[in-house]
Amino acid sequence: EAGVTQFPSHSVIEKGQTVTLRCDPISGHDNLYWYRRVMGKEIKFLLHFVKESKQDESGMPNNRFLAERTGGTYSTLKVQPAELEDSGVYFCASSQENRDEQYFGPGTRLTVT
Amino acid sequence: GQNIDQPTEMTATEGAIVQINCTYQTSGFNGLFWYQQHAGEAPTFLSYNVLDGLEEKGRFSSFLSRSKGYSYLLLKELQMKDSASYLCAVRGWGNTGFQKLVFGTGTRLLVSP
Repeated sequence: EAGVTQFPSHSVIEKGQTVTLRCDPISGHDNLYWYRRVMGKEIKFLLHFVKESKQDESGMPNNRFLAERTGGTYSTLKVQPAELEDSGVYFCASSQENRDEQYFGPGTRLTVT
Repeated sequence: GQNIDQPTEMTATEGAIVQINCTYQTSGFNGLFWYQQHAGEAPTFLSYNVLDGLEEKGRFSSFLSRSKGYSYLLLKELQMKDSASYLCAVRGWGNTGFQKLVFGTGTRLLVSP
């Protein structure tokens, strides 16, 4: 069974540009989560989808971040325009039920210069 | 507020036993997870405690005391491949009634020969 996959693994962009990160959860997992780890800090929750619906987006930093999960399968996280403080590793995780353990992807390392 | 504390770094020798502590103060508690993360890879699930006591899984054990807000991860017969970061995460209730994970900053464990 394939795990959670994320694309790209690395992205280097300039301040002001746009970047879109993609996450493919484990097949059949309705719950999809986005997290971010800024260097030296802990992994922080961004938002949670159940199928295509956003259930909790309380962790989204600001309106430059837009997450979608059209069709309830893969999800995208777009940052527009990117700022220097957006640099970090963005993790995606999925679970079958909200109460189950979450399986994490390898992350996308975003560097904004 | 929510606060999870764990040591930043620990060192141990191959074959030894090491205990990684985690203390937490969170709004709501519905389980504590330990994840292992090798550099550049996805966090992988190690253990889950929701009731007080010890859960044993091969060389790894995890303990929880809810009244003290305390957990530890015990690694026995250390191997070089156990060198990694160990993340303590508490599952609590988000704003919308769904559960989400709150992470500590992780403990980097270095196993030497």
